Amino acid sequence: DQQVKQNSPSLSVQEGRISILNCDYTNSMFDYFLWYKKYPAEGPTFLISISSIKDKNEDGRFTVFLNKSAKHLSLHIVPSQPGDSAVYFCAATRSIYNQGGKLIFGQGTELSVKP
Amino acid sequence: SAVISQKPSRDICQRGTSLTIQCQVDSQVTMMFWYRQQPGQSLTLIATANQGSEATYESGFVIDKFPISRPNLTFSTLTVSNMSPEDSSIYLCSVPGRGPLGLHEQYFGPGTRLTVT
Repeated sequence: DQQVKQNSPSLSVQEGRISILNCDYTNSMFDYFLWYKKYPAEGPTFLISISSIKDKNEDGRFTVFLNKSAKHLSLHIVPSQPGDSAVYFCAATRSIYNQGGKLIFGQGTELSVKP
Repeated sequence: SAVISQKPSRDICQRGTSLTIQCQVDSQVTMMFWYRQQPGQSLTLIATANQGSEATYESGFVIDKFPISRPNLTFSTLTVSNMSPEDSSIYLCSVPGRGPLGLHEQYFGPGTRLTVT
């Protein structure tokens, strides 16, 4: 049962353009969503998050949008830079996991930003 | 953010043997987590390791296969026992963050890439 899905295994974008990475989830009880970035041979790095009470969160070039009715979130990177090339993981959790730890991850999308 | 190191960074092991992976954090943390990423798959939580108590395992993972130690607040080990090729994965440890989301925002180690032949 894949509760968090990233249906695009890869995405290629030209430098300076917008990158849009998508994520769908099935569990309506999730109330926090996170995006992680992973470079080869490194662990995932926290990028940005959003609470289910919001529909948008922005941090510099990165914006996450949440559509609760569609159970869909997306990460926008504007403008895209070659250094953004990495695997991006979407993750979700529930605040009742008050001990933390139970992040449910998607399969990841490999972003390639071409100069 | 926390600085997390793991040893070994990679290993190739024979089936039937066991491998112990170490995770060291630069600060004291109550909880540490162990994840597995099988080839082409998402990260899956194996267990939560609290200092001074037994680890809590997720569905599908058992202590006999993945024993965990947590001797102090900066260190944990995960052993992959009686390995088979299906255990070939990247194993990662993580700790809770200190940002606005607190426990939900985790920091990960670099991972241990295990290949079982």
